[in-house]
Amino acid sequence: QKEVEQDPGPLSVPEGAIVSLNCTYSNSAFQYFMWYRQYSRKGPELLMYTYSSGNKEDGRFTAQVDKSSKYISLFIRDSQPSDSATYLCAMLRSDYGQNFVFGPGTRLSVLP
Amino acid sequence: DGGITQSPKYLFRKEGQNVTLSCEQNLNHDAMYWYRQDPGQGLRLIYYSQIVNDFQKGDIAEGYSVSREKKESFPLTVTSAQKNPTAFYLCASSLDRGAYEQYFGPGTRLTVT
Repeated sequence: QKEVEQDPGPLSVPEGAIVSLNCTYSNSAFQYFMWYRQYSRKGPELLMYTYSSGNKEDGRFTAQVDKSSKYISLFIRDSQPSDSATYLCAMLRSDYGQNFVFGPGTRLSVLP
Repeated sequence: DGGITQSPKYLFRKEGQNVTLSCEQNLNHDAMYWYRQDPGQGLRLIYYSQIVNDFQKGDIAEGYSVSREKKESFPLTVTSAQKNPTAFYLCASSLDRGAYEQYFGPGTRLTVT
């Protein structure tokens, strides 16, 4: 079983739709949960991060972490064509010096 | 402008040749990383460095080598020993090893034929 699983998509939605992107993980030691956005042929950029469980909102984006289910989500409201990208979840254990673990990414297309 | 630069953007090499990918950052970050990205797979860590003149192997270091002679530079050499070198290579940096945010460069797409 992979440490982090993510549906690769592609996921196509119409403009204005609510998008739900998800990752599951197996290592209960993960404490930091990140979402990176990667446009085609570019490097990833950090979109949001959450420490431990709970929700975090930033504009049209909401990140949720459910540690009891080992499940994290990223919601995008009022999706725009400019949101079309690959979304990577990433996780980090709490102890200093550990490596990030990235999911394979979900490719999202928002159609105008 | 602060950031990470990688060069070149595209690189083509013949099998059996070593090739060096450049990574420079002006963010004054201590930690730097090299990742490999293949279709359908998450980023896999090749090497990382926490400080100048120190570096550690990541999950897939075989066939790669690095150096960290300057804080701002972390070049990656893909040697002929790397069995499947064609991939997208990403360099990243963070304030220190424990930081949750990594800043990525634009990547280098290496094709070996």
